Amino acid sequence: EVQLVESGGGLVKPGGSLRLSCAASGFTFSSYSMNWVRQAPGKGLEWVSSISSSSSYIYYADSVKGRFTISRDNAKNSLYLQMNSLRAEDTAVYYCARGGRDSPFDYWGQGTLVTVSS
Amino acid sequence: EIVLTQSPATLSLSPGERATLSCGASQSVSSSYLAWYQQKPGLAPRLLIYDASSRATGIPDRFSGSGSGTDFTLTISRLEPEDFAVYYCQQYGSSPPLTFGGGTKVEIK
Repeated sequence: EVQLVESGGGLVKPGGSLRLSCAASGFTFSSYSMNWVRQAPGKGLEWVSSISSSSSYIYYADSVKGRFTISRDNAKNSLYLQMNSLRAEDTAVYYCARGGRDSPFDYWGQGTLVTVSS
Repeated sequence: EIVLTQSPATLSLSPGERATLSCGASQSVSSSYLAWYQQKPGLAPRLLIYDASSRATGIPDRFSGSGSGTDFTLTISRLEPEDFAVYYCQQYGSSPPLTFGGGTKVEIK
């Protein structure tokens, strides 16, 4: 069974940092592109970042470029999102999802809530 | 960047009725790489349709997708109580950003 489990969310002050993790199981993690998608309270889905299976290709939404860094450790079946210089508008539930360019997001984690507030 | 516009924003229907949801793209979606997701409150999105018209694993056949180029449609032939939710389209065929539409809420009339 494919499982994606996010962790690392919480309350952080504006300007602070947070690192999200996504633990994958039930599939060959190293064969798939992975993504972070976020959803602000009461709002729609926003794609944040994608990373290819071997980390050769990395993409970011303009809203997070230069502040967020996506990475993965295929030996640990894990995906990460390092978030720096956090702003109030980064407050959202962050989901990791399997898929990417040319493939739909077929599995999603349960999400982890990030709240940026003083 | 491809912008996806979903309409209507809200669809008020009764169980058993047919639902037709639209997704328009600002430019042609490459290879019909268009997906539809269902999201219920407090839960993660679930993939329903990919490649514009292929049903994902385990999705009932009352859900169908159609379209190509810039115009896509999700149809739910007969609404079941569990189908009342928010639906999003997404394109994954062009270089990122892999954009989502703004969503259509299907609510009970």
